[in-house]
Amino acid sequence: GAVVSQHPSRVICKSGTSVKIECRSLDFQATTMFWYRQFPKQSLMLMATSNEGSKATYEQGVEKDKFLINHASLTLSTLTVTSAHPEDSSFYICSATPRTSHTDTQYFGPGTRLTVL
Amino acid sequence: DAKTTQPPSMDCAEGRAANLPCNHSTISGNEYVYWYRQIHSQGPQYIIHGLKNNETNEMASLIITEDRKSSTLILPHATLRDTAVYYCIVRVARSGYALNFGKGTSLLVTP
Repeated sequence: GAVVSQHPSRVICKSGTSVKIECRSLDFQATTMFWYRQFPKQSLMLMATSNEGSKATYEQGVEKDKFLINHASLTLSTLTVTSAHPEDSSFYICSATPRTSHTDTQYFGPGTRLTVL
Repeated sequence: DAKTTQPPSMDCAEGRAANLPCNHSTISGNEYVYWYRQIHSQGPQYIIHGLKNNETNEMASLIITEDRKSSTLILPHATLRDTAVYYCIVRVARSGYALNFGKGTSLLVTP
């Protein structure tokens, strides 16, 4: 149990285009999902916290108009990278905690590799 | 969240036990020790967590010192597939808050 999926796993796009990444909790409901990104040889950095039915909370330095987050249901959050540029190329990872969890264990998706040409 | 210190890298021979240390000298009484790992180009994977008692599951054992200022993750029989970056994270168990990943320990399991 506690599986999180992401789609797509890999995407290559041209500079200036928008890319949508989906994060789904397959067998549990999650009130909160998190979006991280990871640059080569670096650790995961939190981008934003996505709350079902409300606006996302962004970390300092993350542009909310560039990284649009929608959390329409208890099992789906989407991250849209708008007007992507080469510097947005990164590994994007989401995570979620089951709503009924007592241990706050987070489960991560497999990640999405974004390459902007 | 309390700060943690881990060695940047470790090697382990396949089949032997891998013992990964973590120092967390400023841990508070209500903070748990969590371990996650990240295999290259994959999302992190939860391994184990504990408060003050030693814990064991199908993946690993977690040994926490009596004063809780340090802990050790033990992979009893390391395999090549255990090669990954291991993160020790100390935090209060509270829903709705993200994990703060440090640099972790890069474990290389060799044949």
